[in-house]
This record gives sequence, structure tokens and C-alpha cells, in this order.
Amino acid sequence: QVRLQESGPGLLRPSETLSLTCTVSGGSISTYYWAYVRQPPGKGLEWIAYIHNSGTTNNSPSLKSRVTISGDTSKNQFSLKLSSVTAADTAVYFCAYGSNWSYFDYWGQGTLVTVSS
Amino acid sequence: YELTQPPSMSVSPGQTVSVPCSGDKLGEKYACWYQQKPGQSPMLVIYLDNKRPSGIPERFSGSNSGNTATLTISGTQAMDEADYFCQAWDSKTGHYVFGPGTKVTVL
Repeated sequence: QVRLQESGPGLLRPSETLSLTCTVSGGSISTYYWAYVRQPPGKGLEWIAYIHNSGTTNNSPSLKSRVTISGDTSKNQFSLKLSSVTAADTAVYFCAYGSNWSYFDYWGQGTLVTVSS
Repeated sequence: YELTQPPSMSVSPGQTVSVPCSGDKLGEKYACWYQQKPGQSPMLVIYLDNKRPSGIPERFSGSNSGNTATLTISGTQAMDEADYFCQAWDSKTGHYVFGPGTKVTVL
């Protein structure tokens, strides 16, 4: 079974860059789809970006210019960078795995990122 | 592309609840559903419109036609009380879209 574990800073100041890493076990990021999804407190899910094992990436149009997703096959990790954060970026950030382009089979436990001065 | 869901629905134990998810020509895309309980990660309960992952009870079923995908829970149990999110993939843009979620309460 694929297991995913997010790691991140917890607290950021406005205008800083959020860096998250998802460590994968029980599967290889050299296969299928890997994504980040976030959930503001008390709200719904928002897809942020995905990376396919081919190297193809795609980002949410609402975040496109601020988001970079990348993978490190040597460490079996994939990472997200979100620049110029504001309070609106406060959320639980999940990493997820999809064995098919249309859905996500497995999710990490999520990490809360708070943006506050 | 946008998906819409009712904010909340209620059901009595043992009864059936059908949660709708609407989007333009949604039936031409594949829909899936996630269950999320408080403090937990989302869990896939239906994929490719009507497939159940291993370990998901048979009381969960799905359909997708026209502009509406539907998650049906038959013989609802107290443990099924949760938020349910639909999700689709827009082939034109390659973007994933989530519905706003429906809180299902088992009264």
C-alpha cells in the first residue's frame, strides 16, 4: 500500500515562499500521478498541482504563477513551492497519489500551514 | 469548470441517501467521490463513476449521466456520517475540479 507523508514549515510570514515535501513509501514516484491538494479550515478541497511520472506538470489556474511542483526519484519524494503567500493560503495541505489520471487513490495525513505576521 | 453539490443532506439509519454532483456535461467525464471525516484525510469511495476501491462497503454506489453524478449510500450507518466531495478531471485543461462538498448527517 502506498503511504505518503507531508513535511512543511507550519508557520510562514506573508510574502514568504511555502516549501512542502511529500515522502512516498510502498510505491515509486516514477509511476503514475502525484499531486497536492489543500483545504482551508472549515472549507472544501482545492487541487493545487500534479506531476506525472513522464515529467508533465499542471497547476491550478488560480495559483498557476505562484506554484512549482517537482519530483526527486532518487529520494522518492515530490515537492511543492508556493510563492508570495498570504493569509488566504492558510490551509491543511495534502499530498496524494493517483494510479489513474482521473482520481486519487491515496492521501497523506495532511500538514497545517498557517500564514500570519 | 465547476461542480455543484448541496451543502447538507440528512438520512435516517438504515435508509438510502443519494448525493448529487452537477456540472456541464459531467456524464462525459469520469467522476469520483471522497469521504472525509473530521480531522482525517479524504478517502476514495467511488472512482470511474461507479467502481468501489477494495475495502469500501457495497452499500456505496455511484452513477454518472447527463449533467449529474450521484453517490448513493444504501442502508446508511452512523459511521457514514461525513463530508462527501465529488471530483472530476477536465480533459480540455488537464485540471482537477472538486465539488464544494455535502455534509451527510445520519439522524
